[in-house]
Amino acid sequence: KAGVTQTPRYLIKTRGQQVTLSCSPISGHRSVSWYQQTPGQGLQFLFEYFSETQRNKGNFPGRFSGRQFSNSRSEMNVSTLELGDSALYLCASSYLAGAVNEQFFGPGTRLTVL
Amino acid sequence: DAKTTQPPSMDCAEGRAANLPCNHSTISGNEYVYWYRQIHSQGPQYIIHGLKNNETNEMASLIITEDRKSSTLILPHATLRDTAVYYCIVFAGGTSYGKLTFGQGTILTVHP
Repeated sequence: KAGVTQTPRYLIKTRGQQVTLSCSPISGHRSVSWYQQTPGQGLQFLFEYFSETQRNKGNFPGRFSGRQFSNSRSEMNVSTLELGDSALYLCASSYLAGAVNEQFFGPGTRLTVL
Repeated sequence: DAKTTQPPSMDCAEGRAANLPCNHSTISGNEYVYWYRQIHSQGPQYIIHGLKNNETNEMASLIITEDRKSSTLILPHATLRDTAVYYCIVFAGGTSYGKLTFGQGTILTVHP
């Protein structure tokens, strides 16, 4: 069974731009969660989607948004990029909503904001 | 969610047991202890979790003290591939489900 895939793997943007990251969950998984990981803050939860509905949201500004499609694929968008948005963005999928111990993570998208 | 404290780094010889400690003195009664690890350039990987009893699976064992204020993750026969950052978190179910938050973790280096 193929794992969680994220595209692109690496991205360089400049301040003020916007970016869209994509996540394809494991086949059959309907829950997708997004996380931001930085050296200073560690891993921070962004949001979770299940069956195209946002179930949980972390403490991030409105510039961070997401959506999930009917095939469970998910996208995350960050508008008006800031230098502090440079991070590894991880996506995780699970069959059940909120099944933390059954989440499988993708390799991440490394975003660099210049 | 309760805060955890882990040593920043540890070393272990290949083939020996790696014992990674974690303090979680403010843990609540409904919070579980979870362990994850992250190998360089990969996403985090779930290892094991427990509430108050010791747990064992094919990857590791988890020992939780009786007062639940600390725990130890044991990798019984460490290999070079176990070199990674190990994260201990405490986590309640219900509305907290899905909201993983990691701190700095312990960098475990397994030496030949």
